Order: sequence, then C-alpha cells, then structure tokens
Amino acid sequence: LAKTTQPISMDSYEGQEVNITCSHNNIATNDYITWYQQFPSQGPRFIIQGYKTKVTNEVASLFIPADRKSSTLSLPRVSLSDTAVYYCLVALVSGGYNKLIFGAGTRLAVHP
Amino acid sequence: DAGITQSPRHKVTETGTPVTLRCHQTENHRYMYWYRQDPGHGLRLIHYSYGVKDTDKGEVSDGYSVSRSKTEDFLLTLESATSSQTSVYFCATRDRDEQYFGPGTRLTVT
Repeated sequence: LAKTTQPISMDSYEGQEVNITCSHNNIATNDYITWYQQFPSQGPRFIIQGYKTKVTNEVASLFIPADRKSSTLSLPRVSLSDTAVYYCLVALVSGGYNKLIFGAGTRLAVHP
Repeated sequence: DAGITQSPRHKVTETGTPVTLRCHQTENHRYMYWYRQDPGHGLRLIHYSYGVKDTDKGEVSDGYSVSRSKTEDFLLTLESATSSQTSVYFCATRDRDEQYFGPGTRLTVT
C-alpha cells in the first residue's frame, strides 16, 4: 500500500477555499485516491475518490496531476462546520482493496 | 451510515480482564473492519473480515482476536486487557468503493 504524506494541520477562515495536498510518490497503477473527513467523536466519513484528472461532487473537488504522485482536496467556501480531520488514502479499489491504512490526517481549523 | 451499531459505546475495565466489543451491521456488506484511534496516530487497522469465518490481521493485531460467525456481526476480543489498549475503537464495513464507519466505542483500561 502506498504511503501518503499530508500536512499535520491547516488554518482557514469562513468563506475561503481550502486546498489540502497529499503526496503519494509510490502510488501503484491501479490505486485510487480517496479522502475521508472525521469530526470529533465520530467515525470517518467518505468525501471523494478519484483516479486521475479532476473529480467534483457536492462537497469537494479532487485534483490529480498526470503523474498521480500527489493529489489536492479542494473545499470551496469553508464554514465553521468544516473543522475536522481530513485523511488521504491510496488503495486498490477492487480485488486487493481490503486493508485501508489511515495516516495521521490533516487537522483543519476554520475560524470566524 | 450503513446501519452500523457498536456496543458498548463506553466501557471501563481493569487490566487483565477479557473484553469483547460488538459491531453489528444491517446492510449485508461483505467486508468488515476494526480500527483503533489514538491521539497522533490516526486510525490503525486491527483486524478485518472478508466474509463469514474469514478474517485476517491488520497493522496492530497483537493482543486482539476477532470472530465473524454471521454476516452482520463482527466481534473484537481483548483476551487480557492492558492499559495500552485504552483507545477509541471503530468498526467499519465496505460496499464497493466506500467504507462506512460506526459511532465508535471508547474503552478505558485501568
């Protein structure tokens, strides 16, 4: 499983766009990139997943460059409720996708 | 949330006693997982199951055992609890591309 590296913490203000970058230099050809969000005292929640280029859903966008060695989670116009820990994971989605390994994540604090 | 419940939600136990945590799901998902979460470590995989009676070890399996006799239930047992096993334990299931997590069990070993 590819190891991921992301910042330990970030700060932002309400209404700003937040970009969290994750590096995964040894990502395998069949690996997908997935982001989870975790609020205090709750289990993580799936945000978005992608393989290459750009993926967008109602919550976030995920940008993946051509070499796939990094990815950026973009949260548009954050609010106080976006304060959470964000995890980047890289794993094979089908077949051997049995062991999701979480890193320490990025703790995002959104200020008024 | 894939109908995942965990019991108990909170437990305090003494060192050396056996403890069993239960995870129950209602969505008939094949894959189930147990994680522990400690400050500074994110979530670490303890054991996982890919079907009834089929289980395998994760990153931090020492001191833990699991059983899955039915699709809907995945049990995590600490044979002899130690203070280092004080943690928050999360159960999860997987459906295709997405994992769903339960509400967690806070275990304190004194």
